[in-house]
Amino acid sequence: RKEVEQDPGPFNVPEGATVAFNCTYSNSASQSFFWYRQDCRKEPKLLMSVYSSGNEDGRFTAQLNRASQYISLLIRDSKLSDSATYLCVVNLSGGSYIPTFGRGTSLIVHP
Amino acid sequence: SAVISQKPSRDICQRGTSLTIQCQVDSQVTMMFWYRQQPGQSLTLIATANQGSEATYESGFVIDKFPISRPNLTFSTLTVSNMSPEDSSIYLCSVDPGTGDGYTFGSGTRLTVV
Repeated sequence: RKEVEQDPGPFNVPEGATVAFNCTYSNSASQSFFWYRQDCRKEPKLLMSVYSSGNEDGRFTAQLNRASQYISLLIRDSKLSDSATYLCVVNLSGGSYIPTFGRGTSLIVHP
Repeated sequence: SAVISQKPSRDICQRGTSLTIQCQVDSQVTMMFWYRQQPGQSLTLIATANQGSEATYESGFVIDKFPISRPNLTFSTLTVSNMSPEDSSIYLCSVDPGTGDGYTFGSGTRLTVV
C-alpha cells in the first residue's frame, strides 16, 4: 500500500459546482497535513494546511479524519481558475519530518 | 515564507554530460530537499541535503549519480551526472522554513536529455 494515495482523476466539473477530493495515508502517526496546488509546468504551491479541527479559507475547506486516516479538500463554487492538480502532502513522523506527496488529483473546471 | 531562487530554469543536455542545479534561499533553513517530478507523476524525493555532512538519499538514488552539496544553511546544489534520456524530468528543491506552514519550492529545473 502506498503511503499517500489520491484518486488521480481528472475531475471534470462545470463552473459553480462543488467538488471534493480525498487523500488517504497509511501511517497513523503522521503529524502534519497539507494541500498543495500545482499548475501545469509550475512548482507546487501551498494551498492550505489541514488542522485537526478542520479549516476553511474562502471557497476551500480542508478536513482531517484521523480515525479513518484521510484528509479531504472541498471546493465550492468552482472557478475556471481552479483547474490544476491538487497534491496531498503528509508529513510522516519518525523524527525526520520529511514530506510525502500523493500523486495528485487533476481538476478541470469548464464553462 | 522563504523565497527560493532555483537555476537553471531549463536545459537541454547531451547524454553522458552532467548538469548542476542550484538553489539559493533568502533565509537560513535547516531542512532542504531535492525532488524529481516526471511527466504526469507526483514528486519523488531524491535526498535530503544536510548542512555540513553528506546528503541522505532515498531508495533508488545514489550519491554517484546525484551528488549534492550543502555548504551552508541558505544554499544547495544537485548534480545530475552521466545523464541519459531517462533523467529527463523536472527537478525541484524545497525547504521547510520551520514555521509549521508547509514547504516552499523552487520554480523547478526542466531537464531534457537528448
